Amino acid sequence: DAGVTQSPTHLIKTRGQQVTLRCSPKSGHDTVSWYQQALGQGPQFIFQYYEEEERQRGNFPDRFSGHQFPNYSSELNVNALLLGDSALYLCASSSVGGVYNEQFFGPGTRLTVL
Amino acid sequence: EDQVTQSPEALRLQEGESSSLNCSYTVSGLRGLFWYRQDPGKGPEFLFTLYSAGEEKEKERLKATLTKKESFLHITAPKPEDSATYLCAVQAGGSGYALNFGKGTSLLVTP
Repeated sequence: DAGVTQSPTHLIKTRGQQVTLRCSPKSGHDTVSWYQQALGQGPQFIFQYYEEEERQRGNFPDRFSGHQFPNYSSELNVNALLLGDSALYLCASSSVGGVYNEQFFGPGTRLTVL
Repeated sequence: EDQVTQSPEALRLQEGESSSLNCSYTVSGLRGLFWYRQDPGKGPEFLFTLYSAGEEKEKERLKATLTKKESFLHITAPKPEDSATYLCAVQAGGSGYALNFGKGTSLLVTP
């Protein structure tokens, strides 16, 4: 049973550029959430996608946008990158129909902005 | 506003020396409290979900408990491979589906 997968593993960009990160949810899951984790901090919620719609958004600027595809996979896009966007970006999947609300995380994408 | 505070920030134990990690929370309408383990540079690994005060769950050397204001992660006779950062997160009615994480406790178990 494949878990949550993310690509790429690492990414280096320069200020002002744009980046796209990808996530495939765990088999049987239909909901994808994205989190940003700065060094030494807990993950911060960016947004959640369900049925190809943004269902909930955290306190992040509009430079952060996303998309969910019919196969439940998802993309996170960040425009006009800032140095402060350097972080580990985590994708988590869950199931709306599940008994519990557990979110299972992928390995993350390490983004470095120079 | 929901708040999650973990203590201590860091903990160093000798192999076999049992201890507890604390997660204090202030939320309106707790829907669930979650414990994760995170190794350096990796994604968090799900450990436990607790839903109501008095609930307890166990997995190998780990036991999680929940009260109305805090949760404890008890580690019994830890081994070096238990070294990791342990994260606590809450999901509350007021914050919808988002997980609100604490900063974590960094645990080091030495032989």
